[in-house]
Amino acid sequence: EVQLVESGGGLVQPGGSLRVSCAASGFNSSNYWMHWVRQAPGKGLVWVSRINPDGSSDSHADSVKGRFSISRDNAKNTVYLQMNSLRADDTAIYYCARATDSSGYFSFDQWGQGTLVTVSS
Amino acid sequence: DIQLTQSPSFLSASVGDRVTITCRASQDITRYLAWYQQKPGTAPKVLIYGASTLQSGVPSRFSGSGSGTEFTLTISSLQPEDFATYYCQQLDRYPRTFGQGTRLEIK
Repeated sequence: EVQLVESGGGLVQPGGSLRVSCAASGFNSSNYWMHWVRQAPGKGLVWVSRINPDGSSDSHADSVKGRFSISRDNAKNTVYLQMNSLRADDTAIYYCARATDSSGYFSFDQWGQGTLVTVSS
Repeated sequence: DIQLTQSPSFLSASVGDRVTITCRASQDITRYLAWYQQKPGTAPKVLIYGASTLQSGVPSRFSGSGSGTEFTLTISSLQPEDFATYYCQQLDRYPRTFGQGTRLEIK
């Protein structure tokens, strides 16, 4: 069964750091672009970051640029999001998602269950 | 950044109704658009990609159309399990922006 499982969320103080992980199973994640998407409580979906299959290229939303970094360990089938200088408006459920190319068109066809990050003093 | 504007933001409908949700892009994204369904407490699920291709396993009552800057998601006959929030997403350029969502509720 194809599955993405996030972990590592929790309560962190403003200015603090946290690393969340996304473990893939049932497929070889090293063949896929992987993304992080977040959703603040009661709000919509916001794209955060992405990493290419071999980990050599990444990009981030302007709102997290310079504070968040994305990485992957293909030997462990795991993608990470390192979040530094956290702010209250980073509070959200963080989802990892797999991007699949079907006939030249991508979509996020597999999602994890999400991990909640709460930034509060 | 490419902005996506969905309309309406809220829709009240009955089982058996035909409903249409529109997504307008701030610039031409050809057909690089996907639609997702999200139910409370769960992750989004892809319904449509490439503007009109149905994801495997998604019921045929869902359909998508459009290209360029205007797209639609249509549900031909609403079923009880379709009441959820729907999002469009552009996959033409980074950042991969989403629409603000359309909440579909039972009348």
